[in-house]
Parts: sequence; C-alpha cells; structure tokens
Amino acid sequence: EVQLLESGGELVKPGGSLRLSCAASGFSFSNYAMSWVRQAPGKGLEWVSGIRGSGDSTYYVDSVKGRFTVSRDNSNNTLFLQMNSLRVEDTAVYYCTRDFYKGHSYGYEQYWGQGTLVTVSS
Amino acid sequence: DIQMTQSPSSLSASVGDRVTITCRASQSISSFLNWYQHKPGKAPKLLIYAASSLQSAVPSRFSGSGSGTDFTLTISSLQPEDFATYFCQQSYTIPRTFGQGTKVEI
Repeated sequence: EVQLLESGGELVKPGGSLRLSCAASGFSFSNYAMSWVRQAPGKGLEWVSGIRGSGDSTYYVDSVKGRFTVSRDNSNNTLFLQMNSLRVEDTAVYYCTRDFYKGHSYGYEQYWGQGTLVTVSS
Repeated sequence: DIQMTQSPSSLSASVGDRVTITCRASQSISSFLNWYQHKPGKAPKLLIYAASSLQSAVPSRFSGSGSGTDFTLTISSLQPEDFATYFCQQSYTIPRTFGQGTKVEI
C-alpha cells in the first residue's frame, strides 16, 4: 500500500524558513516523480513544485522560485521542501504527491498524503 | 501559465441525480486533463486521468470526456459519499494548474 506521510509544518514568522518532509513507503521510491501541492485556507489547490524520480530535474511555480527548493533522498525514501523567505500568502496545507511514473511531464498526482499545515504569521 | 476554469463553482443535487461539471483550458492541452475529488480534512483523490481514464478502484459512475480545451466530468447517479469538491488539473505544461473547484452539495 502506497503511503505518504508529511511532517514539518508549523507556525513561522514572515521571512522565516521551514523544511517539510514526506516519508514514502509501499513502492519503489526512486521510480516515481514526486510533487508538492498546497491549499491555502478557503482556496483551491495549487501545484507548487515537482522533482523527477532520479532527482536530476526540478520544477517550480513562479511564486516560489528562488525561495523554495525541492529535493529527495532516494536511499531513505524521503521527499523534502525547503522553504525560505516565507510570506503570509504561503500559509496552506502542503500535500506530498506521487506521480504515476518517474518523469514529470504529462503526469498526474496518483497518490496524496494527508498534508501538513504551514502557518506564516507574525 | 495555462488557466483552468471550472463551472459551476457550486451546485446542489440530490442522491440519484446525474451531475456534470465542466472545465475549460485557456489553450489546448490535448488530453492531459485530470480530475480529483476532495473532502474536508482528507487527502484529495484521483478520479480520472488523461481526460477519460478511470483510476483504479474508482466507481464506474464517474466518467470524463473531452479534448483540446473543453472537458467534462460526469457522475451518472450521485451517491451520498460523492458530496465533495471536485478539481480539474492540466498536466500539459509546467506548472500544472488546477481549476478553482466545484463544490457539490446536497
């Protein structure tokens, strides 16, 4: 059974940093691309970042480029999202998702974690 | 970025009703359109990928159609567990973008 368990969300001040983790199990982690998708309070879903199975290519939505960094540790089946220079508008539940193959183009979020809440507030 | 527009934003329906939700892309996305169901406090769930392919274990009352810029999600006979918010998503280009959601209420 595919399981994705996010952690690391908490209250942080504007300008601060946070690192989210997603522990994956139940599949061959390195064979699948992964993404982060967020949902701000009362808003819709927003794809934030993606990474290929090998980790050699990463992708970002414009609003987080230069501030967020996605990475993965295929030896420990873990996905990360390093978030710097956080803004109030980054407040959201952050979901870890697994794609259906190792690439990222033309894929879809086949499996989702339960999410972790990031609150950016002074 | 490709903009995805869903309609309606919300709808009221009864158990047994046929429900149709539409999604329009701001440019052609071929068939790279996916549909998700989201209930409060739960992880979103993939229903349909590549416009019309049913994800494993999803009930056959869900179906998808369309290509290019116009797509449809249909629930043939609404069940109590189907009351949720539904999102479309394009994966033709990066960043993947979602529609604003359609809330299906009793």
